[in-house]
Amino acid sequence: DSGVTQTPKHLITATGQRVTLRCSPRSGDLSVYWYQQSLDQGLQFLIQYYNGEERAKGNILERFSAQQFPDLHSELNLSSLELGDSALYFCASSVEYGVQETQYFGPGTRLLVL
Amino acid sequence: SQQGEEDPQALSIQEGENATMNCSYKTSINNLQWYRQNSGRGLVHLILIRSNEREKHSGRLRVTLDTSKKSSSLLITASRAADTASYFCATDEGNRDDKIIFGKGTRLHILP
Repeated sequence: DSGVTQTPKHLITATGQRVTLRCSPRSGDLSVYWYQQSLDQGLQFLIQYYNGEERAKGNILERFSAQQFPDLHSELNLSSLELGDSALYFCASSVEYGVQETQYFGPGTRLLVL
Repeated sequence: SQQGEEDPQALSIQEGENATMNCSYKTSINNLQWYRQNSGRGLVHLILIRSNEREKHSGRLRVTLDTSKKSSSLLITASRAADTASYFCATDEGNRDDKIIFGKGTRLHILP
């Protein structure tokens, strides 16, 4: 158990819908990262927050948005869902920011768009 | 294409044998990390090697880094069934950006 929690574990929804994925980082970790893992694209970095502010952006679509709240939990919002958005979405956290930091991954949310 | 690419894509070996996976990358880096992922679960950090290090050990894991060839290898000695997983290398791009980029992974299967 990494100490990072993600809810829900599974999500099935229809195209065009909007969903929110939630992540609680390890106690004391200030950085939160979001990743998308699909069979054809591998593990793609989406976005990173540090202490409530966006720090780095990766291949995140405009239909997706995220935020980190004052209590450091984070939410990833996916809207106008398409079939291709079906994937595993992981949240990770680290104590600080920087590429030397160890990231601790949550168990993921499996999203299926029908 | 990916900053880090693992090779081979898949590997099956007998329990007790050694497993070697390779990672190649394109740009200069500050660090390279290896992660393990059991099927459908979150990634687990294994080891970090800095760009000024050439070799690092952790238990049955040995990681090497050759910055001149832009490559790293992960060796798992005396493999066990529990080592069955996907293994990913993750690299930065040598700049101040905090992003680390994961490769597509090597799927390792340990045969009983």
